[in-house]
Amino acid sequence: KAGVTQTPRYLIKTRGQQVTLSCSPISGHRSVSWYQQTPGQGLQFLFEYFSETQRNKGNFPGRFSGRQFSNSRSEMNVSTLELGDSALYLCASSLSQGMGLNEQFFGPGTRLTVL
Amino acid sequence: SQQGEEDPQALSIQEGENATMNCSYKTSINNLQWYRQNSGRGLVHLILIRSNEREKHSGRLRVTLDTSKKSSSLLITASRAADTASYFCAMNRDDKIIFGKGTRLHILP
Repeated sequence: KAGVTQTPRYLIKTRGQQVTLSCSPISGHRSVSWYQQTPGQGLQFLFEYFSETQRNKGNFPGRFSGRQFSNSRSEMNVSTLELGDSALYLCASSLSQGMGLNEQFFGPGTRLTVL
Repeated sequence: SQQGEEDPQALSIQEGENATMNCSYKTSINNLQWYRQNSGRGLVHLILIRSNEREKHSGRLRVTLDTSKKSSSLLITASRAADTASYFCAMNRDDKIIFGKGTRLHILP
């Protein structure tokens, strides 16, 4: 089976712009979670989607949003980018809901740089 | 918050030696997972240990969980160069997941 794929792998944006990141889970996986990783804050949970519904959300401002499609592919969007949004954004998929209950399979991440 | 703390932050050992990393947390959990991350890449799931379990093994990995001390340890035996990576614990409670800051492990040839 193909692993979790994320596109694009690298992205450079300027402050105030918006960005959309994409994640394709492992075939058959219905749960997709997103994480932000920075040197200062470490790995932080953004949100989890299962069956096209947001099931869980971390402590991030409303500028961070996401969605999941019927084929389980997911996108996350960040509007009005700030310098502090520069990070590695990781997507993970699992068979069922509950990213803390099941083994998650991570993609390689999208490295976002905000100038 | 329920953030985990990992100890040590960095560890360098000779190839063939054992490596031990520790994770402590503040509130009760449902389970705890360990992940490995190679430089700037995605995470790889290593082991999940439930709150009612005390020890789990997977190949050269051994994880222990002490809920009374709110701590877990990851032991890698007979380390190899390929074990060089960052290791994270992730704590789950009420379907929330919190990652520790990680331990950077470097295996010296």
